[in-house]
Amino acid sequence: NAGVTQTPKFQVLKTGQSMTLQCAQDMNHNSMYWYRQDPGMGLRLIYYSASEGTTDKGEVPNGYNVSRLNKREFSLRLESAAPSQTSVYFCASSVPDYQLETQYFGPGTRLLVL
Amino acid sequence: AQRVTQPEKLLSVFKGAPVELKCNYSYSGSPELFWYVQYSRQRLQLLLRHISRESIKGFTADLNKGETSFHLKKPFAQEEDSAMYYCALRPGNTGKLIFGQGTTLQVKP
Repeated sequence: NAGVTQTPKFQVLKTGQSMTLQCAQDMNHNSMYWYRQDPGMGLRLIYYSASEGTTDKGEVPNGYNVSRLNKREFSLRLESAAPSQTSVYFCASSVPDYQLETQYFGPGTRLLVL
Repeated sequence: AQRVTQPEKLLSVFKGAPVELKCNYSYSGSPELFWYVQYSRQRLQLLLRHISRESIKGFTADLNKGETSFHLKKPFAQEEDSAMYYCALRPGNTGKLIFGQGTTLQVKP
């Protein structure tokens, strides 16, 4: 099992450009998440999807959109990139076992917006 | 407000010294708390959860509801413990996690 995979690993964008970050998991998890990691800020939740067909905003959703394409895939789209979106983006998935909740993370995508 | 605070950006200790990474939380309900760790060039992964009352790699963490803390402790630090550590809170019956700012632990030889 590959676990959680993310593409691309690294991307440079110019202000105003758009792009989609891809995430897929092969663990048959219901829930998936997108976080951004910034120095001194920790990880902040952008969007999450509790199950296929549902998505909800997290702490910092502005400037982003998501699509839960199917149970395996959860993509994050930047419609018009801004320098403030320079960050490392992590995708995660989990089984919603409320006693043993564990999130499994992807390797991350480094995004630089110039 | 739901919040997790890790007051130290960097904690530097010598090998064999005790380690305590601080975590304080703000949550009105019954909290579920976790420690996640990110070793160099590895993925973020779960280290331990308070509900399991477990010891992983020599680390333990006790939930203190009176002080709203969930500090991570290890009696004797090893060089391989060097990593970024995140404390996280799960509010309510959701899968969402609220992370602290993270603490980099540096264990010197």
